[in-house]
Amino acid sequence: GAGVSQSPSNKVTEKGKDVELRCDPISGHTALYWYRQSLGQGLEFLIYFQGNSAPDKSGLPSDRFSAERTGGSVSTLTIQRTQQEDSAVYLCASSFGTSGDNEQFFGPGTRLTVL
Amino acid sequence: DQQVKQNSPSLSVQEGRISILNCDYTNSMFDYFLWYKKYPAEGPTFLISISSIKDKNEDGRFTVFLNKSAKHLSLHIVPSQPGDSAVYFCAAKRYGNKLVFGAGTILRVKS
Repeated sequence: GAGVSQSPSNKVTEKGKDVELRCDPISGHTALYWYRQSLGQGLEFLIYFQGNSAPDKSGLPSDRFSAERTGGSVSTLTIQRTQQEDSAVYLCASSFGTSGDNEQFFGPGTRLTVL
Repeated sequence: DQQVKQNSPSLSVQEGRISILNCDYTNSMFDYFLWYKKYPAEGPTFLISISSIKDKNEDGRFTVFLNKSAKHLSLHIVPSQPGDSAVYFCAAKRYGNKLVFGAGTILRVKS
């Protein structure tokens, strides 16, 4: 498949546990983004990676959230000590670059439920 | 601070008629605007975009209008089809930056 893939598709965890969400971007895309959509809300930017530049972490809601992108490809979003308010659909997107006409292609998302 | 607003949570339109989805923004630094469409259990898919130097962009049944002075854009779908039923997100960006999304509008096209 040539699209953005994410795993797992669903994750149920207990409050206080750590979770890792994975994103495989489209091959050759230099930019990778993480967003989340809480129930009834729009998409909220979390973090983005562009090539070898330092990531823009300005959207991460707390220091419990972190992300890395290894080898310029796969990315992992880690949430430590999960809280119930972390429950949301976490969406990853990738693009060739970050200029206006570089379309962001989204994966299907990971639905995270924190009990 | 909600920089991109979609004030209509939902819209219902008869098949064959025009659907008009509206979006307002507050940040005058945005230079690119996009509409995404999302079906349940899928990620958003790009629909159409417009640069801030234009006031209209058309792609088949979809047209986006931009009114910079009013900081307002709209998406027109003509004619509307049942398959257009989805959540539509308006998004805006500055060069090199992340997308800022509105809360979305649920469009239902009745046959």
